Amino acid sequence: EAGVAQSPRYKIIEKRQSVAFWCNPISGHATLYWYQQILGQGPKLLIQFQNNGVVDDSQLPKDRFSAERLKGVDSTLKIQPAKLEDSAVYLCASSLVGEQYFGPGTRLTVT
Amino acid sequence: AQSVTQLDSQVPVFEEAPVELRCNYSSSVSVYLFWYVQYPNQGLQLLLKYLSGSTLVKGINGFEAEFNKSQTSFHLRKPSVHISDTAEYFCAVRGQAGTALIFGKGTTLSVSS
Repeated sequence: EAGVAQSPRYKIIEKRQSVAFWCNPISGHATLYWYQQILGQGPKLLIQFQNNGVVDDSQLPKDRFSAERLKGVDSTLKIQPAKLEDSAVYLCASSLVGEQYFGPGTRLTVT
Repeated sequence: AQSVTQLDSQVPVFEEAPVELRCNYSSSVSVYLFWYVQYPNQGLQLLLKYLSGSTLVKGINGFEAEFNKSQTSFHLRKPSVHISDTAEYFCAVRGQAGTALIFGKGTTLSVSS
């Protein structure tokens, strides 16, 4: 079965620009997660969806970050405007029950 | 609230030597514990998990971990490491199914010949 797909794999932008990341979860997985992994740290949850509804977005910086999961399948994560401290790897994961499966991540560099 | 502490940020070891990566957790509710491995420029891959039952859990690539409730630990072990085990290892905890994982800061395992 195909894994979690993410694109792009790498992105370099200047501060104050906007950027969007895309995630396609494993088919049939109702739960989708976006994690932020800053260099030297473990991943931290940004937002969790159950189908197309938000379960937890308590750690999402809502003044600049937004995410959506239309039709309960694909998801996009947007940052606008980006700051230097947003440089990180953005990981998408999906799960059916229990185990989470991770995509390869998008490495964002903000200059 | 739940939290995870990985006690070693870096662990250098020679090939074929045993290794232990230490993880302690805190939680006020029942927890489920995981170890993930991350190779350079790749996503996270599940090594093993403890959900219930036997406290000794065996995973992929010859790794195993022991859940110790009294010491709130979930240390990862391998009796003989290979060069290919060089990677970043993350311990994680979550509550009930469907909730997000809470990760430690990671341990870099460096295996040299």
